[in-house]
Amino acid sequence: QSALTQPASVSGSPGQSITISCTGTSSDVGGHNHVSWYQQHPGKAPTLMIYDVSDRPSGVSYRFSGSKSGNTASLTISGLQAEDEAIYFCSSSTTTSVLYVFGTGTKVTVL
Amino acid sequence: DVQLLESGGSLIHPGGSLRLSCVVSEVTFTTNARGWVRQAPGKGLEWVSVVSGSGDTTHYADSVKGRFTISRDTSQNTLYLQMNSLRAEDTAVYYCVKAPGYYDASAYYYPRYFDFWGQGSLVTVSS
Repeated sequence: QSALTQPASVSGSPGQSITISCTGTSSDVGGHNHVSWYQQHPGKAPTLMIYDVSDRPSGVSYRFSGSKSGNTASLTISGLQAEDEAIYFCSSSTTTSVLYVFGTGTKVTVL
Repeated sequence: DVQLLESGGSLIHPGGSLRLSCVVSEVTFTTNARGWVRQAPGKGLEWVSVVSGSGDTTHYADSVKGRFTISRDTSQNTLYLQMNSLRAEDTAVYYCVKAPGYYDASAYYYPRYFDFWGQGSLVTVSS
């Protein structure tokens, strides 16, 4: 099973909103509501930002929101800030023997 | 908050063995599922293995099945990853994670997301 497909890079100016897509198949994103998103700053461990498509863990800013339509999930960052510059990975449970898959990662640049 | 502290990473020759440890500072060690996720240098994330909170269910990625074994010592609040027959492609930072899951009709655990991560332990497989 291949990794979920994400754009390599997305950029935006401070205060703007950006959206990162995560495309899978009916065996993962489309077949589960267990889509999650992780933020990773250089040299640091990933941090969970969204789980179960649209739920935010305690302590994560309301500026981060998630959604899903069919086989594609999305992460929206509103009111973009310099600290949001990082790599973002999506992930999903699967209905196959692979069990779990991550996305290819998207580098977010704040202009 | 949960804290996870990995150790055991090092430089190892191809074909060699290594055991990673992860000490978990959480009262509910035996309640929560945990696992390992790795990241090769400059690459993306790859799920490696998980064990259910009860310890009776384990899962492995196809890339490590038959070579890696996940286990835990509940008296020490420690999670382990025994890695045998190591290959160059196993070179990565290995993260210990807390792994909330979901259960099927047979009460079989599956990973759902990873909500707490350790700082990582680097394993380099090279001759």
